[in-house]
Amino acid sequence: DAGVTQSPTHLIKTRGQHVTLRCSPISGHKSVSWYQQVLGQGPQFIFQYYEKEERGRGNFPDRFSARQFPNYSSELNVNALLLGDSALYLCASSSTRQGATPPDYGYTFGSGTRLTVV
Amino acid sequence: EDQVTQSPEALRLQEGESSSLNCSYTVSGLRGLFWYRQDPGKGPEFLFTLYSAGEEKEKERLKATLTKKESFLHITAPKPEDSATYLCAVRSFSSGYSTLTFGKGTMLLVSP
Repeated sequence: DAGVTQSPTHLIKTRGQHVTLRCSPISGHKSVSWYQQVLGQGPQFIFQYYEKEERGRGNFPDRFSARQFPNYSSELNVNALLLGDSALYLCASSSTRQGATPPDYGYTFGSGTRLTVV
Repeated sequence: EDQVTQSPEALRLQEGESSSLNCSYTVSGLRGLFWYRQDPGKGPEFLFTLYSAGEEKEKERLKATLTKKESFLHITAPKPEDSATYLCAVRSFSSGYSTLTFGKGTMLLVSP
């Protein structure tokens, strides 16, 4: 079984540009969450989607948006990029519905997209 | 607000030298404490989930324990391949959804 796949793996953008990051969850998983990990820090929650609806949002500006498609894949969009948006963006999938205790394996993360803003 | 503090920030061990990593937390309604391993440039890899004080789980040279305020990841006779950053996270449920709050991690380096 394929794990969580993210694309692209690396990306370099200029300040002010827009970026779209993509995530395909594990087959059968309906919940996708996005996290931002700045170098030297732990991942920070951005969004959670379940059954194509936004279920939670972290403390990020409106420049960040996301959506989930009927096949449960997801996109994270960031507008008007700032230097501080440079980070590893992680996608995590889970099989359980919102609020339910996840299986013992918790959340499965992809390898991430390394975004560099110059 | 949920908070997770990990210590030490970095730890250097000789191969075979056992030690422990600490994760202290404050959370309103713990719905699980997670340990992940992260290699450079990669996503976190799941290790353990603990749900209640007194619970322990083991996997090879790793053993995780949980109290009401902290968790420990014990590493017995580590090998160089155990070198990685170890992340602790707590899961809580608020405003109708659950999320993970991570600590900054402990960077472990095991020398041969």
